[in-house]
Amino acid sequence: EDQVTQSPEALRLQEGESSSLNCSYTVSGLRGLFWYRQDPGKGPEFLFTLYSAGEEKEKERLKATLTKKESFLHITAPKPEDSATYLCAVQSGNTPLVFGKGTRLSVIA
Amino acid sequence: GAVVSQHPSWVICKSGTSVKIECRSLDFQATTMFWYRQFPKQSLMLMATSNEGSKATYEQGVEKDKFLINHASLTLSTLTVTSAHPEDSSFYICSARPTTPETQYFGPGTRLLVL
Repeated sequence: EDQVTQSPEALRLQEGESSSLNCSYTVSGLRGLFWYRQDPGKGPEFLFTLYSAGEEKEKERLKATLTKKESFLHITAPKPEDSATYLCAVQSGNTPLVFGKGTRLSVIA
Repeated sequence: GAVVSQHPSWVICKSGTSVKIECRSLDFQATTMFWYRQFPKQSLMLMATSNEGSKATYEQGVEKDKFLINHASLTLSTLTVTSAHPEDSSFYICSARPTTPETQYFGPGTRLLVL
């Protein structure tokens, strides 16, 4: 059974204080690992898809990396508007995404 | 690109009535659509998966006679909550997946309040 574990559950950062969110996974044949951002009261917003170990993708202050067992979402010099819940999900085969419980990020000015 | 819309965004109804929520992929054809439910401060809970022209596949514990899903076209899926009760109050989110890339794109969600 595919499993996704995200850590920490919650993270509080000062503006400009870089950090990383972790997503550990076990899956029978990774087809893709996905990162989403979710703001309160809204649907998840797609950020990245990673397909193979060693792959990296960047978008503004965010950088996602992938190994065979985990993925990291690095946030460089975060701003208050980066505050959100970040969700990690994996897909194997033609199945629906399996989501982690998310990391609630708060960036304080 | 890859925009998914939901309508309505908010609905309040009386107990016992039925509510229909629409999910549309605006700029791509969605071979598969998904319906999720989310409670406050919890992650997404998959309710069902639907493929265009086929019956939906429901997750364990989800009543298919209560949550009717129709995937009538490659751009439209509907979720009907039949005989809604207060315990059905929740945030419902749809997701659509094109053939390629195999990324799920989410709608903005529909908040249902049953009085």
